[in-house]
Amino acid sequence: NAGVTQTPKFRILKIGQSMTLQCTQDMNHNYMYWYRQDPGMGLKLIYYSVGAGITDKGEVPNGYNVSRSTTEDFPLRLELAAPSQTSVYFCASSYEPGWQPQHFGDGTRLSIL
Amino acid sequence: EDKVVQSPLSLVVHEGDTVTLNCSYEVTNFRSLLWYKQEKKAPTFLFMLTSSGIEKKSGRLSSILDKKELFSILNITATQTGDSAVYLCAVVGGADGLTFGKGTHLIIQP
Repeated sequence: NAGVTQTPKFRILKIGQSMTLQCTQDMNHNYMYWYRQDPGMGLKLIYYSVGAGITDKGEVPNGYNVSRSTTEDFPLRLELAAPSQTSVYFCASSYEPGWQPQHFGDGTRLSIL
Repeated sequence: EDKVVQSPLSLVVHEGDTVTLNCSYEVTNFRSLLWYKQEKKAPTFLFMLTSSGIEKKSGRLSSILDKKELFSILNITATQTGDSAVYLCAVVGGADGLTFGKGTHLIIQP
């Protein structure tokens, strides 16, 4: 019963480096989401996808890119890491219609130094 | 701008107490309100509320929505140390589709 799987769990990057946060789900959900959670704050939506080949910006998309080539995978890319991107990143998925109760991965804790 | 405000931001009570967590919102085109519990890692779903006045209940937890006054409450009775967590409220609707509050950090002392 894997659900939503995120890798890596932790990562430290230097300013200006790039990396991809991986997210995969095995529940055949059409909707997938990326959030960031800063200390003492709620979750902020970065990007979401309503199906393979379709992505849309959320509240805080700047500095990030996503792709959705398959139903299962929804990677998040940071091209030029900045200290402001230090955060915990959560991937989630849900059944249609969108925004229904979401299943979350365990998160990736990312530090940019 | 869409807004979801949770109160209190933190709360410390003793085991056995009853707590009430609040979530107020200003979101255009409201569709539903969700409550999540977040312990050390991923949020886990508790309730989804779409209609006013209908209580959702799961064990010692219950929640209700007031769409006229734009708020929801989450009640936990006979609290246990395992209830210690951050409780997140999220509202579906508005420009971004889904807006989370900052959460209420609940600590249950034995």
